[in-house]
Amino acid sequence: DAKTTQPPSMDCAEGRAANLPCNHSTISGNEYVYWYRQIHSQGPQYIIHGLKNNETNEMASLIITEDRKSSTLILPHATLRDTAVYYCIARKPLEYGGSQGNLIFGKGTKLSVKP
Amino acid sequence: AAGVIQSPRHLIKEKRETATLKCYPIPRHDTVYWYQQGPGQDPQFLISFYEKMQSDKGSIPDRFSAQQFSDYHSELNMSSLELGDSALYFCASTPHGGNTGELFFGEGSRLTVL
Repeated sequence: DAKTTQPPSMDCAEGRAANLPCNHSTISGNEYVYWYRQIHSQGPQYIIHGLKNNETNEMASLIITEDRKSSTLILPHATLRDTAVYYCIARKPLEYGGSQGNLIFGKGTKLSVKP
Repeated sequence: AAGVIQSPRHLIKEKRETATLKCYPIPRHDTVYWYQQGPGQDPQFLISFYEKMQSDKGSIPDRFSAQQFSDYHSELNMSSLELGDSALYFCASTPHGGNTGELFFGEGSRLTVL
């Protein structure tokens, strides 16, 4: 799976949009980009994933650049409860030779939402 | 909705003792994963099971073993415990062999080795 690079920390004002970048310049054509977050000492939580189209769900939006070398997770109206470590992970599905679903967590971005 | 259940939530052991952690996946989930997260560290993949067979192996020490039972619950057995085994242990489950990559994590078991 491709290596991903994220800034170690970011701050965001409560109520504003939080834009978390992720670089995955070596991503292959069949690798998806997944985002998870971990609120302090809780189990990681799935947020969203995508291949090449932008995706949106009730939690966030995922914007993937046309060349797929980077992506941005957007939390449209950050709240204090969004303070967490956010992980960007590149993963190949099983049918393309990927592993049995296990995710490899790298160094994420610690997002601090401030009042 | 039912979530992944882990037990015990907290466990204190002495060095060289043995510990067993249990994981009950979400109903109809056939794949279970174990992760270890040391203090200040990111979660590290240990091992996974699909339909009761080991499907992938990560950085699991030889002192640790795990299995998945016929009801899909899983147990992580840790022997000859060392101080460095003190960590949060997360179990996750997913349906259909994990093809979707969307893992559902439990709240974790905190192991403290004294």
